[in-house]
Amino acid sequence: GAVVSQHPSRVICKSGTSVKIECRSLDFQATTMFWYRQFPKQSLMLMATSNEGSKATYEQGVEKDKFLINHASLTLSTLTVTSAHPEDSSFYICSARAGGSGSGNTIYFGEGSWLTVV
Amino acid sequence: EDQVTQSPEALRLQEGESSSLNCSYTVSGLRGLFWYRQDPGKGPEFLFTLYSAGEEKEKERLKATLTKKESFLHITAPKPEDSATYLCAVQASGGRYIPTFGRGTSLIVHP
Repeated sequence: GAVVSQHPSRVICKSGTSVKIECRSLDFQATTMFWYRQFPKQSLMLMATSNEGSKATYEQGVEKDKFLINHASLTLSTLTVTSAHPEDSSFYICSARAGGSGSGNTIYFGEGSWLTVV
Repeated sequence: EDQVTQSPEALRLQEGESSSLNCSYTVSGLRGLFWYRQDPGKGPEFLFTLYSAGEEKEKERLKATLTKKESFLHITAPKPEDSATYLCAVQASGGRYIPTFGRGTSLIVHP
């Protein structure tokens, strides 16, 4: 099946610094990528949707200046948490959609990135 | 508004005890219904996509079925390694391709 690679899997940063998480589709071109946040034992919370070459669309309540999303190519999207604070500590997961109809519409997830802000 | 309800929230089975997980949905027009498996601390792993009522798909001990109102994930003779949270999501036709997820069913299979 299709593979989505997310890096880093774990990162610890100091409060006030910024951290970047990368999401790559390894064997397909991702028309759309989604970024989620997940708290322990809770469901996925969609943060934003990004299409290649376009500005990301953020969900209500998500600060676009704090969570910068760049979908620079059909295989790479990045999430940058700017001026991170302890409350930003969470599990961040990306997913990617190949595009088109049928099996190309399936959405595949990355392995997730644990962010701890100290 | 699209809605997905999964039941039960949690399920404990003995090894070999077959059962089914339910995903009820309401959507303006169904583009696709997805099943995922999520292990603790990991991203969801894709299992199946179903597109139309009557469709069935199988993978090892898992079989997913779809009607116009719900989907079932049947687990036959489960093993402890099947323990995980199973997520169901629907994607409406038109729009931004954003899937709507249920809250998941946490499955524990005891040896």
